[in-house]
Amino acid sequence: GAGVSQSPSNKVTEKGKDVELRCDPISGHTALYWYRQSLGQGLEFLIYFQGNSAPDKSGLPSDRFSAERTGGSVSTLTIQRTQQEDSAVYLCASSLFRQGNEQFFGPGTRLTVL
Amino acid sequence: AQKVTQAQTEISVVEKEDVTLDCVYETRDTTYYLFWYKQPPSGELVFLIRRNSFDEQNEISGRYSWNFQKSTSSFNFTITASQVVDSAVYFCALSEEGTGRRALTFGSGTRLQVQP
Repeated sequence: GAGVSQSPSNKVTEKGKDVELRCDPISGHTALYWYRQSLGQGLEFLIYFQGNSAPDKSGLPSDRFSAERTGGSVSTLTIQRTQQEDSAVYLCASSLFRQGNEQFFGPGTRLTVL
Repeated sequence: AQKVTQAQTEISVVEKEDVTLDCVYETRDTTYYLFWYKQPPSGELVFLIRRNSFDEQNEISGRYSWNFQKSTSSFNFTITASQVVDSAVYFCALSEEGTGRRALTFGSGTRLQVQP
């Protein structure tokens, strides 16, 4: 079946602009995660959605970052007033909601802030 | 707080050599899961294995094997008879069930280069 998909694959933006990154999880996966991978910080957790529960936003680095998940499926990560330090690969993952279920990752969106 | 340490930043071996990637973790939770992921040059993270905190049995899958030791908080990964296609960055990760924190905490990764 189809894996996790993300769009766009690459995004170049100017400092101060807003960007939206999209994630389509695997069908039937109720848990969805956003991570960020950068050279200096490695792989960092950003936010986690599970069903209709309130999301775990504990990893969001600032209030410029937000995410939503509509209809329990597609998710959008929004970064407002982008800064150069936001440049990274943004990874989305999904999983079934069972203890210890492996997360399946998308190909990522490479964000470059000029 | 949870933490995963992969002390080896980069390892280079010649094809057919065996190689072990180290992973040490810290957690206060009694119920947790450990994972290994592979990130080839294409960039997509690929799941390799999951182990829960109650199962210390070692596991072998083809040329891959994993050694989980709670006494030393380690979950090491061995590739036997390495091949060029094994060249990738390998990440060890932890999720805690007791705290409900199911997000993965990753180590910094080990870059493995297998030379022909």
